[in-house]
Amino acid sequence: GQNIDQPTEMTATEGAIVQINCTYQTSGFNGLFWYQQHAGEAPTFLSYNVLDGLEEKGRFSSFLSRSKGYSYLLLKELQMKDSASYLCAVLDSNYQLIWGAGTKLIIKP
Amino acid sequence: GAVVSQHPSWVICKSGTSVKIECRSLDFQATTMFWYRQFPKQSLMLMATSNEGSKATYEQGVEKDKFLINHASLTLSTLTVTSAHPEDSSFYICSARDSGKDNQPQHFGDGTRLSIL
Repeated sequence: GQNIDQPTEMTATEGAIVQINCTYQTSGFNGLFWYQQHAGEAPTFLSYNVLDGLEEKGRFSSFLSRSKGYSYLLLKELQMKDSASYLCAVLDSNYQLIWGAGTKLIIKP
Repeated sequence: GAVVSQHPSWVICKSGTSVKIECRSLDFQATTMFWYRQFPKQSLMLMATSNEGSKATYEQGVEKDKFLINHASLTLSTLTVTSAHPEDSSFYICSARDSGKDNQPQHFGDGTRLSIL
């Protein structure tokens, strides 16, 4: 079956750096997405990786290793507004999006 | 950037009422749109994939007669929750992807919070 694993919850301190990991096992791979979802709101797109390596976008970076079935989202200079759930999703061989359960990130002052 | 509009944002109604939710892609065409449901503190659950001009594809366990989907144009899909009951109360979210760009991100509407009394 298809499976995406990410930690349920993480806690970090304002100003610090946090890395949210995602491992996947899917039937085929056409890219991996990270979304941010604040409580009570719809998800918003953060990043897309289809090739191995690191993609940097301001304070957020996303890394992919296809051979390891592994990705991470790196958040730097954490702000209180970064408290949210972060969703990892993989596009499989049929271009169906397989969602992880999300990682709830709690930022403490 | 791509914008998806979902309407209404909030619905509160009596048990037995049917509720229609609209999802529009505002600046792109979407052959395929997706309907999700999310209960409090739970993950997104895909309910169905809406296909323009053809029948929707429902996920296992989702009643097609209960959740009617119509995708009549390349920019509009509707979800009708028929004879809604309190257990249907949830956060319903639609998303859309630009036609012909299967590896592009899905863009989400703002969601509809449905409360059935």
